[in-house]
Amino acid sequence: NAGVTQTPKFRVLKTGQSMTLLCAQDMNHEYMYWYRQDPGMGLRLIHYSVGEGTTAKGEVPDGYNVSRLKKQNFLLGLESAAPSQTSVYFCASSYPYDSLVDIGYTFGSGTRLTVV
Amino acid sequence: EDKVVQSPLSLVVHEGDTVTLNCSYEVTNFRSLLWYKQEKKAPTFLFMLTSSGIEKKSGRLSSILDKKELFSILNITATQTGDSAVYLCAWAGGTASKLTFGTGTRLQVTL
Repeated sequence: NAGVTQTPKFRVLKTGQSMTLLCAQDMNHEYMYWYRQDPGMGLRLIHYSVGEGTTAKGEVPDGYNVSRLKKQNFLLGLESAAPSQTSVYFCASSYPYDSLVDIGYTFGSGTRLTVV
Repeated sequence: EDKVVQSPLSLVVHEGDTVTLNCSYEVTNFRSLLWYKQEKKAPTFLFMLTSSGIEKKSGRLSSILDKKELFSILNITATQTGDSAVYLCAWAGGTASKLTFGTGTRLQVTL
């Protein structure tokens, strides 16, 4: 019963490098989300998806791209990493709102990314 | 601009104390408010509150929502060291079940 799995768990990038974070869920959830968490800032929504083949911008989308080619996977890409993107990234998935009651989101365990 | 404000930002209590964490919100299209506990890694779900005045309870934790005054509280009674964590509140509104989080309250329970 894996839930939401994020890979990798840790990564160090040099400024200007690119990388992709993978999120996979096995709960057949329609909705998926990418958040970043910085000290004192809480979790901020980067991008989200309401279904296979769809993506939308969240609160802090600049510098990131996403794709949802398969329902179970949601990829977050950094095309040219910057030190300001040093953060902990969390993926989450959920049912549509009407089914959220007493469930909330299911979060992955996070990816700690450092850009030097 | 929508905002969720949690207070206090941090709190240190002794084991056995009772604590109250606050979450106030000014948001459009409010649907519900959620509480999460975050230890070292991913946030874990505690409660989802949609209706005013109805308390949700789980063991020593309880929460209630006041939609008129736009706030929620999370109570923890007889605190234990295992309650040490960051407690996050988030509101759900608009489309796509998006959650907007507050900055969290860091609770430390000491012996």
